[in-house]
Amino acid sequence: EVQLVESGGGLVQSGGSLRLSCAASGFTFTRYWMSWVRQAPGKGLEWVANIKQDGSEKSYVDSVKGRFTISRDNAKNSLYLQMNSLRGEDTAVYYCARFCGSTSCYSGWFEFWGQGTLVTVSS
Amino acid sequence: QSVLTQPPSVSGAPGQRVTISCTGSSSNIGAGYSVHWYQHLPGTAPQLLIYANNNRPSGVPDRFSGSQSGTSASLAITGLQAEDEADYYCQSYDSSLSGVVFGGGTKLTVL
Repeated sequence: EVQLVESGGGLVQSGGSLRLSCAASGFTFTRYWMSWVRQAPGKGLEWVANIKQDGSEKSYVDSVKGRFTISRDNAKNSLYLQMNSLRGEDTAVYYCARFCGSTSCYSGWFEFWGQGTLVTVSS
Repeated sequence: QSVLTQPPSVSGAPGQRVTISCTGSSSNIGAGYSVHWYQHLPGTAPQLLIYANNNRPSGVPDRFSGSQSGTSASLAITGLQAEDEADYYCQSYDSSLSGVVFGGGTKLTVL
């Protein structure tokens, strides 16, 4: 059974930093691109970042470029999101999701999702 | 403003058929990038409903179906049930933004 368990969310002041983690199990982690997707209160889903199987390619939504860094540790089957210079608009539930299993994923989809971890940025 | 446009809400009575549209442009759906659909109940993990325009993952009832034409896609739900009440999102890739994009979401109410 595929499991994705996020942790690391919490309350942080504007301008602060937070590191989210996602522990993956039940599948061969190294075969898949992995992603972070978020949902702000009362808003829809928003893709945040993707990372390739070996970590050699990363992509981000424009609003987090230069502030957030996605990474992975394949030896630990873990995904991370380092969030710096946090703003109020980053307040959201952050989901870890398994993306696609190919090397090129322009038409990829999110097959499995974690339960999410809440990040609240206060001013 | 989302790159993919969905109606904010749709509704239907039990047993009826409803459709949810997802309108894009020449840099996403119209460019041939696949469309995927998710069901999301508040407080839970989103669930993949349809992938690659019209494919259902195992376990998803055949009451759910997807289609795509030109710069738009649609999700159809037949035999509406109370448990279908949820938020639905379409997702694709946009070459102008060089990233994954979601629709704004549609809230389905079962009357």
